[in-house]
Amino acid sequence: RKEVEQDPGPFNVPEGATVAFNCTYSNSASQSFFWYRQDCRKEPKLLMSVYSSGNEDGRFTAQLNRASQYISLLIRDSKLSDSATYLCVVTRGTYKYIFGTGTRLKVLA
Amino acid sequence: GAVVSQHPSWVICKSGTSVKIECRSLDFQATTMFWYRQFPKQSLMLMATSNEGSKATYEQGVEKDKFLINHASLTLSTLTVTSAHPEDSSFYICSASLAGGSVGELFFGEGSRLTVL
Repeated sequence: RKEVEQDPGPFNVPEGATVAFNCTYSNSASQSFFWYRQDCRKEPKLLMSVYSSGNEDGRFTAQLNRASQYISLLIRDSKLSDSATYLCVVTRGTYKYIFGTGTRLKVLA
Repeated sequence: GAVVSQHPSWVICKSGTSVKIECRSLDFQATTMFWYRQFPKQSLMLMATSNEGSKATYEQGVEKDKFLINHASLTLSTLTVTSAHPEDSSFYICSASLAGGSVGELFFGEGSRLTVL
């Protein structure tokens, strides 16, 4: 079993739609969680950190469920520019960042 | 935000040659840098943790004699792929955290796309 698992997609959604991604992790000792965005052939960039209480940044909402060991990302009112791969990141130990395979999103006009 | 620069952004080489990739933190000091490899449509896989002034820590399955890492200063880490073969063709990305050895946002270099013929 992979340490961090994501549905690879692709998720094809129309503009304006709401889309949600889940990510599960196997290490219950993981402390920190992030969502990164990666555009094709580019380096990943931080989208948002994920806090236990859940957090929101504009159209993006991230939630963490420690009991079930999953995190989620909700995107409201999808834009064409949201098309990318979304990477779930979980830390192992003090500073090792473990990436999921990513979920591809395509927002269609 | 913090800037991490990687060079070269792409390289094509013949099988058997060695390739060096540089990773620099431009506006901060990074005692710890990380090297990742990403194959097409796959996840970023941590290869090793580069520690300034000491030996790198390699992940299981990564050959330390093949992937030489040097972190000679607080702003520069290098990855040398020795005797490269076509299966080493991949996207290599370095990263650093402003928080040093503790958990914080990772800043990535632009990545280096290696193609071995």
